[in-house]
Amino acid sequence: GQQVQQSPASLVLQEGENAELQCNFSTSLNSMQWFYQRPGGSLVSLFYNPSGTKHSGRLTSTTVIKERRSSLHISSSQTTDSGTYLCALEQDSGYNKLTFGKGTVLLVSP
Amino acid sequence: EAAVTQSPRNKVAVTGGKVTLSCNQTNNHNNMYWYRQDTGHGLRLIHYSYGAGSTEKGDIPDGYKASRPSQENFSLILELATPSQTSVYFCASGDQGHFSNERLFFGHGTKLSVL
Repeated sequence: GQQVQQSPASLVLQEGENAELQCNFSTSLNSMQWFYQRPGGSLVSLFYNPSGTKHSGRLTSTTVIKERRSSLHISSSQTTDSGTYLCALEQDSGYNKLTFGKGTVLLVSP
Repeated sequence: EAAVTQSPRNKVAVTGGKVTLSCNQTNNHNNMYWYRQDTGHGLRLIHYSYGAGSTEKGDIPDGYKASRPSQENFSLILELATPSQTSVYFCASGDQGHFSNERLFFGHGTKLSVL
């Protein structure tokens, strides 16, 4: 089965609302990364977060290895946050090979 | 900020034709990767490289070859393009020498249509 599952698949928010994006994985973890992708655009690394909680502006990433999950919290969403959010898992297998989730498509309306 | 440049940005090819996608990075990263992104599948790893002269198979290498002639350049080659290879292709470079715990920096992607 799929090693990395993201939820929800899509999300629609009103500007100002908060969002919680989830990433669950079925294998042991070496690291977890979150990426943002603009529609039709490249991927930008948001967080490299193998464990614990990290903050960057309105974004917070929390990875709990024992529970095999990672989350991305967006506070006070803005229309410019619209796009696709991808998590990627590096397995604890001795060398890096990222396995990506299918992403959460976020639409923030004004 | 890491700089990864892909060319071309868009490509239309005919079935059976040869296609070469190019990637250049100016970060002196050892590791480079080629992914394709398709609706319903997310990003999947095609080939990767540890450094100049090395190429390794990723998860879906069939129908693709790769070439790493230098630290800066990593190409993806479709010798006989098929419509199933219509996709968006992303190149990335990685900033760790031993692969583990590595951050990736992506190019803007190449949209390939095989007719």
